[in-house]
Amino acid sequence: SQTIHQWPATLVQPVGSPLSLECTVEGTSNPNLYWYRQAAGRGLQLLFYSVGIGQISSEVPQNLSASRPQDRQFILSSKKLLLSDSGFYLCAWALTGSYNEQFFGPGTRLTVL
Amino acid sequence: SQKIEQNSEALNIQEGKTATLTCNYTNYSPAYLQWYRQDPGRGPVFLLLIRENEKEKRKERLKVTFDTTLKQSLFHITASQPADSATYLCASFTGGFKTIFGAGTRLFVKA
Repeated sequence: SQTIHQWPATLVQPVGSPLSLECTVEGTSNPNLYWYRQAAGRGLQLLFYSVGIGQISSEVPQNLSASRPQDRQFILSSKKLLLSDSGFYLCAWALTGSYNEQFFGPGTRLTVL
Repeated sequence: SQKIEQNSEALNIQEGKTATLTCNYTNYSPAYLQWYRQDPGRGPVFLLLIRENEKEKRKERLKVTFDTTLKQSLFHITASQPADSATYLCASFTGGFKTIFGAGTRLFVKA
């Protein structure tokens, strides 16, 4: 069966510090991978998606970036965090050719102080 | 722009009653609608998918309808239980690689 992992679960970082969030998927090959951010009481904002190694599509211009160095690994990064980067970050995968049902990881709660 | 809207007010119902949540979409015609459940501090979990040519879909105590004339989907939980308390997200997929999510409606089921 498929499993998706995210770490860390929680993170408190000062403004201006770098960020690296990692997501890995097990039990499937060539998944589409997604990074979302969810502000408190708000919907899911799509940040990046990837349909293959090294292929990244950005949905929202900001100081975040994403990389996919391996088929089942997706990384969200920032060189300098802003207060507005605080939120709940979710990684998800979907099968190519499916109806894009999304399978989410447990999430990372990021607080920027 | 494409929008999915859900009632932002929480829905409070008594155990055993049917909960009905609404999802409206504007400015596009999604080929599929999806419903997810999200518990506090957790990632959403996929529940059901309905295609535009399907009027109704059922799974155990869950029922979803898709009305392309009203541009609306209804999500029903029959014989609701306190364990059904969660936020329910509606999402649409129009093809390609992106799914658009609504902000969700919180459901509270009282014993």
